[in-house]
Amino acid sequence: GAVVSQHPSRVICKSGTSVKIECRSLDFQATTMFWYRQFPKQSLMLMATSNEGSKATYEQGVEKDKFLINHASLTLSTLTVTSAHPEDSSFYICSASDQGVSEKLFFGSGTQLSVL
Amino acid sequence: GESVGLHLPTLSVQEGDNSIINCAYSNSASDYFIWYKQESGKGPQFIIDIRSNMDKRQGQRVTVLLNKTVKHLSLQIAATQPGDSAVYFCAENPNSGYSTLTFGKGTMLLVSP
Repeated sequence: GAVVSQHPSRVICKSGTSVKIECRSLDFQATTMFWYRQFPKQSLMLMATSNEGSKATYEQGVEKDKFLINHASLTLSTLTVTSAHPEDSSFYICSASDQGVSEKLFFGSGTQLSVL
Repeated sequence: GESVGLHLPTLSVQEGDNSIINCAYSNSASDYFIWYKQESGKGPQFIIDIRSNMDKRQGQRVTVLLNKTVKHLSLQIAATQPGDSAVYFCAENPNSGYSTLTFGKGTMLLVSP
């Protein structure tokens, strides 16, 4: 089946630094990618939707200047957490859509961000 | 038995039992539903899906039931195995043909040998 690669799987950073997370579709072109955030023992919360070549659409309450999303190619989307703070510590998961329909939605393995 | 934790309901079963995980969805206009399995520290893994024009769909060892009248979805796992231990999420698609999914709260399944 289709594979979505997410990197890094785990990152620890100091407060105030920026962290970039990559999401790649390995064997299909992802016209749409999604970024989720998940706190321990909670569900996935959609942060933003990115479409290749256009600006991301952020969910209500998600700061677009803090969570920068770039979807410059059909196989790569990046999420940059800028000026990270301890409250940004979370599990971030991307998913990629082939053809823009749910049946073709594949998830990355997630990135555990810990901000000290 | 089933218990509600701080955030995540937990279902504990013995190996070989059949498990039933329930989910209440919110949007009566949703026409596509998916069950995902998430192991600790990993991304969600697709299990089975169902469209709103169906009320039952079977896969390998899994069955999804959909009751649109009460907006209820269930996942049945036959002959549960320790490897089935994980958190299970239902997800609904409120926008037909688009990939935005709304995830349910999740249920942790614990299978004892």
